[in-house]
Amino acid sequence: AAGVIQSPRHLIKEKRETATLKCYPIPRHDTVYWYQQGPGQDPQFLISFYEKMQSDKGSIPDRFSAQQFSDYHSELNMSSLELGDSALYFCASSRDSDTQYFGPGTRLTVL
Amino acid sequence: QKEVEQNSGPLSVPEGAIASLNCTYSDRGSQSFFWYRQYSGKSPELIMFIYSNGDKEDGRFTAQLNKASQYVSLLIRDSQPSDSATYLCASRMDSSYKLIFGSGTRLLVRP
Repeated sequence: AAGVIQSPRHLIKEKRETATLKCYPIPRHDTVYWYQQGPGQDPQFLISFYEKMQSDKGSIPDRFSAQQFSDYHSELNMSSLELGDSALYFCASSRDSDTQYFGPGTRLTVL
Repeated sequence: QKEVEQNSGPLSVPEGAIASLNCTYSDRGSQSFFWYRQYSGKSPELIMFIYSNGDKEDGRFTAQLNKASQYVSLLIRDSQPSDSATYLCASRMDSSYKLIFGSGTRLLVRP
């Protein structure tokens, strides 16, 4: 079965640079979620989109923004990167607000 | 205090034994509960979800929910070394899209 696709899988950036993470949901899933997981931490919810509209917002820094496009893929844009932004970033998708399935994640390292 | 609490472990059981993982939650508005398995550096993988009081069985896994006690558990029968991972308990309210995770319990199944 098709799964959530995330790209890139690994990303290395310098402080104050920008990064864009992409997420392609499971076919026919209309809801996308972004989570951040720091080392040794549990996943923290950042933001979600349902039918291209923001549906919920968590602890997402103002330096981050996200959107969902007409083909339901989503992008997380991160600016003015800080060392503390180094983490695994997971995208999950669901059909409506049903069970969430996670992608493989993007490992972001900020130097 | 976290909204979802789990014992960090490690919980060590011999191969073939029953592993019992527990989770408590503080918000009575939580309606849905999920168990995810996460191997180190990998994404959370859905094991089971439960919405109603009582037991729900799927193969070697049984989820139990007691809303009066605000308690969720996961039993793994005939534990295998490949079950060794961190098990994340998550809750979700009907009014929200986001999952709230516990810190996870590390399970070690000894051959």
